[in-house]
Amino acid sequence: AQKITQTQPGMFVQEKEAVTLDCTYDTSDPSYGLFWYKQPSSGEMIFLIYQGSYDQQNATEGRYSLNFQKARKSANLVISASQLGDSAMYFCAMSASGSARQLTFGSGTQLTVLP
Amino acid sequence: GAVVSQHPSWVICKSGTSVKIECRSLDFQATTMFWYRQFPKQSLMLMATSNEGSKATYEQGVEKDKFLINHASLTLSTLTVTSAHPEDSSFYICSAHGGGNTGELFFGEGSRLTVL
Repeated sequence: AQKITQTQPGMFVQEKEAVTLDCTYDTSDPSYGLFWYKQPSSGEMIFLIYQGSYDQQNATEGRYSLNFQKARKSANLVISASQLGDSAMYFCAMSASGSARQLTFGSGTQLTVLP
Repeated sequence: GAVVSQHPSWVICKSGTSVKIECRSLDFQATTMFWYRQFPKQSLMLMATSNEGSKATYEQGVEKDKFLINHASLTLSTLTVTSAHPEDSSFYICSAHGGGNTGELFFGEGSRLTVL
């Protein structure tokens, strides 16, 4: 069974500063994928970044980077230069190899960017 | 890029009626789609896996006779909430895999169901 843990129910960050959202996972699968999604109040799920378990380098997408520490089973999301529009719920998720992208989600972190 | 579209975005219905939600992949074929449910201030919980041309696979605790899934084509999956009750009020969201080995998983816009 897979499990995703997000221990920060809520986070605050000052505009233009960086913030790290924590995510740890547990799985017995040797191959898996890790995802981060942003969900604004409208409800849509916005894909941010993906990291494969065999990827050697940490994934980056613009202002988003994933700090992947395989031995510690953590996949923290780092948002640099926070913007007011970054205020939303952020979900970490995992897929197992061969699952055709069936995802297990963490409980989410509500990020609020302060002006 | 690939887009998944859901319809309707909002639906309000009376208790006891049935509601159908559509999930379409607009520019790619999806042999597998997933249906999630999200209660207020909670995470997304997988309800079922929709397989084109075969029966859906339901997660433990999800009633297959209440949540009917039909994946009749490679671009359309439907979720029908039968005999809806107020406790079925939730945000239902579908996703589909666009193929490839990277994170090409796309979500629909979601459908907010309110049962009176």
